[in-house]
Formats: sequence, C-alpha cells, structure tokens
Amino acid sequence: EIVMTHSPATLSVSPGERATLSCRASQSVSSNLAWYQQRPGQAPRVLIFGASTRATGVPARFSGSGSGTEFTLTISSLQSEDFAVYYCQQYNNWPPYTFGQGTKVEIK
Amino acid sequence: EVQLVESGGALVQPGGSLRLSCEASGFTFKSYAMSWVRQAPGKGLEWVSSIGGTDGQTNYADSVKGRFTISRDNSRNTLYLQMESLRAEDTAVYYCVKGDHGGVYYLFFNYWGQGTLVTVSS
Repeated sequence: EIVMTHSPATLSVSPGERATLSCRASQSVSSNLAWYQQRPGQAPRVLIFGASTRATGVPARFSGSGSGTEFTLTISSLQSEDFAVYYCQQYNNWPPYTFGQGTKVEIK
Repeated sequence: EVQLVESGGALVQPGGSLRLSCEASGFTFKSYAMSWVRQAPGKGLEWVSSIGGTDGQTNYADSVKGRFTISRDNSRNTLYLQMESLRAEDTAVYYCVKGDHGGVYYLFFNYWGQGTLVTVSS
C-alpha cells in the first residue's frame, strides 16, 4: 500500500498570501495524483488531477506540480473561502486508492 | 448537473447490517465507475470500494473485504453498499463518489455526494 504524507499538518496563512502544501508518496505514483479541498461541514471536491490539471471550475489561483514521489499544491493568493483541509490522493497503484491525512489551512 | 444523493445511514449495533444507496443523476451512470469513500469523525478520507461502469468489476479495501458488498443497478442509476458484521471502527460518513471514467483502474473522484452517517454503537 502506498502511504501519502502531507506537510505541514497545519498551515497558518494571512488572506492574500501564498500557501504551499506538500504531499509525498512512499513510492512513485507517476503523475497519478489528485488534490481535494474539504471545507468545514462539506463534502470534498476535486481541485487538481494528473498532478497539475485543474478540474472544471477551479480558480486559476490553485496550481499543482510534481511527479514521482513529491507533489505541491500552491494557492497563489488565499481567499476567505480557501481556508479548508486539503487532501492528496494517489491513483497509480490500486487497490487501495490512498489519501494523505490532510493539511489544514487556517487563518493567521 | 451531476447529483449524488446518499441514503440509508443509521445507528446500528455492532454485528449488525445496513444497506446504503446512492441515487445518481446528471450523467450517463452506466458509463462511469462509482465508489464509496468514508470519513470517520474528525479524521481523514478512506477509500472503501469501487465498481466498474459496465463490467461490474469490483475492488475493496482490506478493512472491509468479506463484510461489505458494492453493487449497482444501471437501470435505476443507483449505487449500493451492503454492509455486514459492522464494527465500531466502521462509524463514519460514507460518501458516494463518481469516477472520471468507466473502469476501476486509475481512478480519481470528480464528484461527491453530501454523505450519509453510519454509527455503529450499542
């Protein structure tokens, strides 16, 4: 089973600032990596798939990069609605599909 | 607009059974793999099971294999999860999720329902 590890666990950022979230896989997942956002009390939604492709309707301030074992989600200028928990998911080796434990982005 | 509406969540005793349903609309249901992903209270996301669109191929997490059965009725646009021998650690919100293509391979999840809560407790 591939283990996905987020860092940091919590990120404190001021509105308008840049946020950089990292996700590491225990072995290569190629570019088969998705990012999800979960706002409080809501279901997750996909932001990025294929490591760097934005899903339909996702603002351009969200960008993904990386391949192999190291991945990054960048939010260029945080808006109030971006304070949430972010999860990465690998879909290269299955079953099982595995998620990281998440990074919580909170208001500084 | 894609919609996924789960139902069937409840309070059930350890060892009990439950069947979850998910009614789908807004897309050609039979053409896409469907999955269940769960989230224990205050915890992260855990993939549970997936089923292919037309071939019906299934996969399960080890934690539920032999106890849970995923199925679908393409004529009713409905996904199911039959859960047997429930344990306290199965307590979670169960999300119905749509895959990005028809097979159970290389899946990410592009639409999520709002979830249904299953509580296993005496």
